[in-house]
Amino acid sequence: AQSVTQPDIHITVSEGASLELRCNYSYGATPYLFWYVQSPGQGLQLLLKYFSGDTLVQGIKGFEAEFKRSQSSFNLRKPSVHWSDAAEYFCAVGAYGNEKLTFGTGTRLTIIP
Amino acid sequence: ETGVTQSPTHLIKTRGQQVTLRCSSQSGHNTVSWYQQALGQGPQFIFQYYREEENGRGNFPPRFSGLQFPNYSSELNVNALELDDSALYLCASSSPSAYNEQFFGPGTRLTVL
Repeated sequence: AQSVTQPDIHITVSEGASLELRCNYSYGATPYLFWYVQSPGQGLQLLLKYFSGDTLVQGIKGFEAEFKRSQSSFNLRKPSVHWSDAAEYFCAVGAYGNEKLTFGTGTRLTIIP
Repeated sequence: ETGVTQSPTHLIKTRGQQVTLRCSSQSGHNTVSWYQQALGQGPQFIFQYYREEENGRGNFPPRFSGLQFPNYSSELNVNALELDDSALYLCASSSPSAYNEQFFGPGTRLTVL
């Protein structure tokens, strides 16, 4: 069975500081990995995805993530956060031929001035 | 290009009632997935529809049922509502060739009293 762990429930970062959100997954086959962002009361917006190839993927809003197979991780990073980045971030895993996405419990990001 | 839309935005029901939620998929997508997101949790996969047939189901009881129509829009029906059914219900559409990349609608907030 596939699973995703986001060990940080809540992270607070100063505006302009760097950010790293952690994600660990468990899946027997080659995973497809995603990061989504959710603002309060809203749906999910796809930030970036990894299917294969280059393990460093670039997404929207200046985010990037690195797939590390040996660590079963797919951490999200941003070099300098903006106040508008405050939201809930979800990591998800899927796979070819597997219809569902499995999500982590999310990390809530707070930005302080 | 029209994104995923859902209706209604909010809904209040009482325990034991039945509810129908609706979703229109993004243009060009023929697959629709439904997720339940309880407060403070990540989305949980309910089921997926592909070409009007159920194509996978998560760990939800039979009182959760769905339909997909020839235009690929979809309905989620929940019978005999329970208090724990209170959640944000998210619809996502995808194309089978898109490595399970799913695009989410804004959700329907269901409150069961």
